[in-house]
Amino acid sequence: EIVMTQSPATLSMSPGERATLSCRASQSVSNNLAWYQQKPGQAPRLLISGASTRATGIPARFSGSGSGTEFTLTISSLQSEDFAVYYCQQYDNWSPFTFGPGTKVVVK
Amino acid sequence: EVQLVESGGGLVQPGGSLRLSCAASGFTFSTYWMSWVRQAPGKGLEWVANINPAGSDKYYLDSVKGRFTISRDNTKNSLYLQMNSLRTEDTAVYYCAKDGRTWPFWGQGTLVTVSS
Repeated sequence: EIVMTQSPATLSMSPGERATLSCRASQSVSNNLAWYQQKPGQAPRLLISGASTRATGIPARFSGSGSGTEFTLTISSLQSEDFAVYYCQQYDNWSPFTFGPGTKVVVK
Repeated sequence: EVQLVESGGGLVQPGGSLRLSCAASGFTFSTYWMSWVRQAPGKGLEWVANINPAGSDKYYLDSVKGRFTISRDNTKNSLYLQMNSLRTEDTAVYYCAKDGRTWPFWGQGTLVTVSS
């Protein structure tokens, strides 16, 4: 099983700041990496797939990068609606697909 | 508009069974892989199972193999998860999600609580 880790666990930021979230895989997943955003009481929302391709309707302030084992999600200028939990997910290894433990972005 | 509506959750005793359903609309259900993903209270996301469009290929999380069965009825645009021999650690919100590997569309989830 591929183990995903994320850092930091919590990120304290102010609106307008640039946020950088990290995700690491225990072995190479090529570019088969997705990012999701989840707000309390809601289902997750797909932001990025293929490590860097934004999903339909996702604002350009969200960008993804990386390949192999190291990945980054960047939010260029945090908006009030961006404070949430972010999960990375690998889908290189068919079974099982695995998620990271999440990074919670909170208001400083 | 893609819509996924889960049902069938509830309170069940350890060792019991439950069948979840997901009604799909807004897309050609019979041509897409479908998945179940769960989230224990206050915890992260965990993929549970997925199924190919024809219903002939199925994949499962190791901890549910032999206990859970994913299935679909393309004539009813519906996805199912039969859960047997339930354990307390199966307590979670279960989401139905469109596609097999990444999930751009999710239902609202249905809560399964396994407790005596």
